[in-house]
Amino acid sequence: QKEVEQDPGPLSVPEGAIVSLNCTYSNSAFQYFMWYRQYSRKGPELLMYTYSSGNKEDGRFTAQVDKSSKYISLFIRDSQPSDSATYLCAMSPAGGTSYGKLTFGQGTILTVHP
Amino acid sequence: KAGVTQTPRYLIKTRGQQVTLSCSPISGHRSVSWYQQTPGQGLQFLFEYFSETQRNKGNFPGRFSGRQFSNSRSEMNVSTLELGDSALYLCASSHGQNNSPLHFGNGTRLTVT
Repeated sequence: QKEVEQDPGPLSVPEGAIVSLNCTYSNSAFQYFMWYRQYSRKGPELLMYTYSSGNKEDGRFTAQVDKSSKYISLFIRDSQPSDSATYLCAMSPAGGTSYGKLTFGQGTILTVHP
Repeated sequence: KAGVTQTPRYLIKTRGQQVTLSCSPISGHRSVSWYQQTPGQGLQFLFEYFSETQRNKGNFPGRFSGRQFSNSRSEMNVSTLELGDSALYLCASSHGQNNSPLHFGNGTRLTVT
């Protein structure tokens, strides 16, 4: 069983919809949680970086962490065609990001159609 | 501020050859990490360098090696290439302390024939 599970989709939504992306994990040592967006033929781009349980908002993006359930989510409000990409969750134990090692989910392919 | 720069963007090599990939981190970042991305395995951690020293290593064979220079630039080398080494190789940089986040480059697409 993988340490981080992420539904690969694909997920297709109409423009303006609220998108919910999720990951579950099994390693209770994970303390830092990230969401990356990857466009075709590009590298992952950091969207959100959180530590504590709860919500963190940045524009149209909200990251949610529930450590008790080992579950993280990314919500995208008012989705746009430019949001079409692969979304990757990533996580690390305390100190882990300092040593470069993140554990990634498989990525969810999102398409927002006009 | 310039992002992480990887060269070359594309490479085609023959089985048995070796290859060297290059990564220039964001200015001020002292940590460089390397990842392999394939459709089947996703992103997998190769190794991390900080101040010219390898601090962390993933579960890859010894054919995969790297180094970091005094200006924090890093190179990754793969010897005796196998077909299964075909992948997108990503470099990420960070401050390397206090759980600072990783920022990725656009990768080098390696095809082994």
